[in-house]
Amino acid sequence: AQSVTQLGSHVSVSEGALVLLRCNYSSSVPPYLFWYVQYPNQGLQLLLKYTSAATLVKGINGFEAEFKKSETSFHLTKPSAHMSDAAEYFCAVTRNSGYSTLTFGKGTMLLVSP
Amino acid sequence: NAGVMQNPRHLVRRRGQEARLRCSPMKGHSHVYWYRQLPEEGLKFMVYLQKENIIDESGMPKERFSAEFPKEGPSILRIQQVVRGDSAAYFCASSPPGVPADNEQFFGPGTRLTVL
Repeated sequence: AQSVTQLGSHVSVSEGALVLLRCNYSSSVPPYLFWYVQYPNQGLQLLLKYTSAATLVKGINGFEAEFKKSETSFHLTKPSAHMSDAAEYFCAVTRNSGYSTLTFGKGTMLLVSP
Repeated sequence: NAGVMQNPRHLVRRRGQEARLRCSPMKGHSHVYWYRQLPEEGLKFMVYLQKENIIDESGMPKERFSAEFPKEGPSILRIQQVVRGDSAAYFCASSPPGVPADNEQFFGPGTRLTVL
């Protein structure tokens, strides 16, 4: 069984500040991990994914995430927030082999103030 | 290459009516997944289909909900005798042939169902 915990349903930052969105996972087998972004009234767009290659993964729009097995974490970061980053972010986990569905966290709403 | 298409984008039904949600996967994709998003919740898996086959429906409510992905045409999620608790956003995703775990799922814009 797999699960995802996203700490903080809302995160507020100022424009230009560091963005840190936390994700911890639980998985009995080696995982694949994903971050998706959802803008209002839209579907989910993949930001980045970890598939057991490099532990530091770079994604679109300047985001990156680091897989830390010892901490069972996959936190999402961006050095400098932009107003357009305001959206809801979802962390998801799946098994790294065969068939498995995506298990999502409850999401973190990122608010960016001028 | 068009993305995953869902229609309608918004659907309003009265209690007891039927709701039909359609999903056309990306061209070349043979795997379709349906998810439900309730307010303040993440997406919850409902069902995974390949052409003419239901692979995993472990997330589907046992009653009133059904899904199909026929040889021709879109995938359909059908909810019979809707109740207010069915109000949610329903998302479809598709992925290409091959090992599902290796492939990104591409999401459609969703259908927002409101039950009056």
